[in-house]
Amino acid sequence: NSKVIQTPRYLVKGQGQKAKMRCIPEKGHPVVFWYQQNKNNEFKFLINFQNQEVLQQIDMTEKRFSAECPSNSPCSLEIQSSEAGDSALYLCASRPPGWEVFFGKGTRLTVV
Amino acid sequence: QQKVQQSPESLIVPEGGMASLNCTFSDRNSQYFWWYRQHSGEGPKALMSIFSNGDKKEGRFTAHLNKASLYVSLHIKDSQPSDSALYFCAVSMDSNYQLIWGSGTKLIIKP
Repeated sequence: NSKVIQTPRYLVKGQGQKAKMRCIPEKGHPVVFWYQQNKNNEFKFLINFQNQEVLQQIDMTEKRFSAECPSNSPCSLEIQSSEAGDSALYLCASRPPGWEVFFGKGTRLTVV
Repeated sequence: QQKVQQSPESLIVPEGGMASLNCTFSDRNSQYFWWYRQHSGEGPKALMSIFSNGDKKEGRFTAHLNKASLYVSLHIKDSQPSDSALYFCAVSMDSNYQLIWGSGTKLIIKP
């Protein structure tokens, strides 16, 4: 069973508000991913880290999304100035040396 | 850009029956293939990985990969009500690339 812990499970924000969610990856997993799953169950890769350094990220052209994965602290994903289109399930996942990616239960963000 | 497509969109199978899920991908450089299952209210969980052409069997689950045909499938034998979930095919180019996901198949097992 996955031990990736995401908080909070549910987050409700007004348009224009900041939304922040956290993730504690499994111990010993150096790679961390963030994905967005929309209401049509489509996945969108956002960013991944290896040992606190960004490996890849999408072109967050709106610059409203930021993420970090500091050592000895939870990883976080923050949306500045939330929009209705940001409503989705945000999934954090971590990967040990090897191939399988383990997902948390997600943070469901609703922007009203 | 890699495109991963799944069919059918939804599937109803009687308990004890065989469920067959299909996935096509567009990039011939694709290396690694996974099937994930997501129950309602949960994150996805890896069911199986397949990296070489042919069949791979794990219990009631069999994955089939044909890279030349850009095709991967999952077959679930003796389906159980607990198999009812969303199933996703995910593809990556190498170990550092993010997973490219299909759109999912909603599987319903009818008792």
